[in-house]
Amino acid sequence: DAGVIQSPRHEVTEMGQEVTLRCKPISGHNSLFWYRQTMMRGLELLIYFNNNVPIDDSGMPEDRFSAKMPNASFSTLKIQPSEPRDSAVYFCASSLRGTSGNEQYFGPGTRLTVT
Amino acid sequence: GENVEQHPSTLSVQEGDSAVIKCTYSDSASNYFPWYKQELGKGPQLIIDIRSNVGEKKDQRIAVTLNKTAKHFSLHITETQPEDSAVYFCAAISQGPNSGYALNFGKGTSLLVTP
Repeated sequence: DAGVIQSPRHEVTEMGQEVTLRCKPISGHNSLFWYRQTMMRGLELLIYFNNNVPIDDSGMPEDRFSAKMPNASFSTLKIQPSEPRDSAVYFCASSLRGTSGNEQYFGPGTRLTVT
Repeated sequence: GENVEQHPSTLSVQEGDSAVIKCTYSDSASNYFPWYKQELGKGPQLIIDIRSNVGEKKDQRIAVTLNKTAKHFSLHITETQPEDSAVYFCAAISQGPNSGYALNFGKGTSLLVTP
């Protein structure tokens, strides 16, 4: 299994630019999560999807952030316009939600730097 | 919501010694407690988990204990090796058809194993 795939691995952009992060979950998993990691705030859940439907987006910092999951094998997290305080590592994770299990598996992350 | 506290924030041990990381949680409904290991530049990796119907679980040099009455759980690593050096995160979640589905992470423990 290839695991959760994220792209790009690194992104450097200027303030005001649009940034799109991509994620391919593990095949067969039905839940997908976007996290942000910073030194100050640790790991924060931004949004999660179950069967491609957004369930909880209360962690999305503001309207500049949006996430989509058009099908079971692809999701995007978009920041528009980007700001320096968005600099962080963004992780995607997936799991198979059921009556047991629900272990979440993380991708390698995208390190975003906004200058 | 759930609040997970993790201690210590940093831990340094000599190779061969044991390491213990402790976490407390606030939501008595929480019933799933995973531990993640994050190496530099990588995503968190699930290393062991425990559910509320058991008090202890072991996997080779790693063990996790759970005290539901006191609402705390711990990670024990025996015979530590330099490759155990990483940041470890605990998490808690209340799983069920009508419950939330987000992992609530502790702030992490940076473990350093010196030869």
